[in-house]
Amino acid sequence: NAGVMQNPRHLVRRRGQEARLRCSPMKGHSHVYWYRQLPEEGLKFMVYLQKENIIDESGMPKERFSAEFPKEGPSILRIQQVVRGDSAAYFCASSPDRQGGNEKLFFGSGTQLSVL
Amino acid sequence: DQQVKQNSPSLSVQEGRISILNCDYTNSMFDYFLWYKKYPAEGPTFLISISSIKDKNEDGRFTVFLNKSAKHLSLHIVPSQPGDSAVYFCAARDSNYQLIWGAGTKLIIKP
Repeated sequence: NAGVMQNPRHLVRRRGQEARLRCSPMKGHSHVYWYRQLPEEGLKFMVYLQKENIIDESGMPKERFSAEFPKEGPSILRIQQVVRGDSAAYFCASSPDRQGGNEKLFFGSGTQLSVL
Repeated sequence: DQQVKQNSPSLSVQEGRISILNCDYTNSMFDYFLWYKKYPAEGPTFLISISSIKDKNEDGRFTVFLNKSAKHLSLHIVPSQPGDSAVYFCAARDSNYQLIWGAGTKLIIKP
């Protein structure tokens, strides 16, 4: 499967636990984006990363959320001390160049995070 | 502050007829607009796009129209097919290269 791979598909956490969401971009893509979708809402940009660099994290909450895209391995979105309001679908997308315009984003199937 | 609005949460269309999905925006600096389609339990997939310097772009059954003076764009699907049933998202690119997304319109094609 050469598409964007996200895992797990579903993640259940209790309040206060940590959530780790993984994303492997398409082969050849070095740009990764994380989005969050709350029920009945559109996708909200969270963070844009290239290998080993965070380019734009303007959509990330200042506390508890962090993201990385190491030289080797998948991109990780980490949520510490989860709260019920973190329950959402988290989508990862990748592109061969910066998003928008002629550069289409290729999305993974998402991780549905449920906080009990 | 919703910069991109899709005011119809859902739309039902007869198979074979035209589907028209609408999107309004407030930021005149948006320079590129895209439509994505999303099936349940899948990520969005790119459908069609249009630059702000154009007013129409066509790809098979899909046509996107842009009215810059009205800050309005629409997606036309003709003829509509059962496989078109999905949620359609409108997105606009801002000067920081970020995509701003609408809330989506659920399209239901009736047989």
